[in-house]
Amino acid sequence: AQKVTQAQTEISVVEKEDVTLDCVYETRDTTYYLFWYKQPPSGELVFLIRRNSFDEQNEISGRYSWNFQKSTSSFNFTITASQVVDSAVYFCALSEAQETSGSRLTFGEGTQLTVNP
Amino acid sequence: NAGVTQTPKFQVLKTGQSMTLQCAQDMNHNSMYWYRQDPGMGLRLIYYSASEGTTDKGEVPNGYNVSRLNKREFSLRLESAAPSQTSVYFCASTFWGPSSYEQYFGPGTRLTVT
Repeated sequence: AQKVTQAQTEISVVEKEDVTLDCVYETRDTTYYLFWYKQPPSGELVFLIRRNSFDEQNEISGRYSWNFQKSTSSFNFTITASQVVDSAVYFCALSEAQETSGSRLTFGEGTQLTVNP
Repeated sequence: NAGVTQTPKFQVLKTGQSMTLQCAQDMNHNSMYWYRQDPGMGLRLIYYSASEGTTDKGEVPNGYNVSRLNKREFSLRLESAAPSQTSVYFCASTFWGPSSYEQYFGPGTRLTVT
């Protein structure tokens, strides 16, 4: 069975601080995909990144960066120089890599990030 | 290009009533999904449809049925609503390619069962 754990329920930072959101996963699959989603207060879900299990290169997109470490089954998300608009719930998710069965996601419980001015 | 649309946005039901949540996507995606989100929890998969004509159970299918009406539409039906089904329901569609990936979620339907 797949499982995603986001141990940090809530994080509060002051604007311009860096913040890292932790994600630890469990799967028996050798090929899988990891995701991060953002859910702002308005409630919609926004896809941020997909990473496959064969690609352990870190990724940077603007102020966002992701650190995938297969050895520790972790896929952490860092926001550099946080802004108030980053306040949201962030979800980490895991999917088996069977294209014919679609992308069934197993979500973590989410981390509520609050960035204070 | 509307993406993924869901109707209704809000609904209040009495225990035992039935209703259908509608979802449509205009991106020609093969796969569609229904998730529910409860307070303090991540999304949990109810049912999914990997392609037109197929549907499969997800993690929490009890009390629900689905219909993949065509490639665009995927509906979720509650035959006899229960208070435990009070939740926010999200529909999603996905395109999964060898080197590309698209996924979009609908805006959600907030359902309250009294």
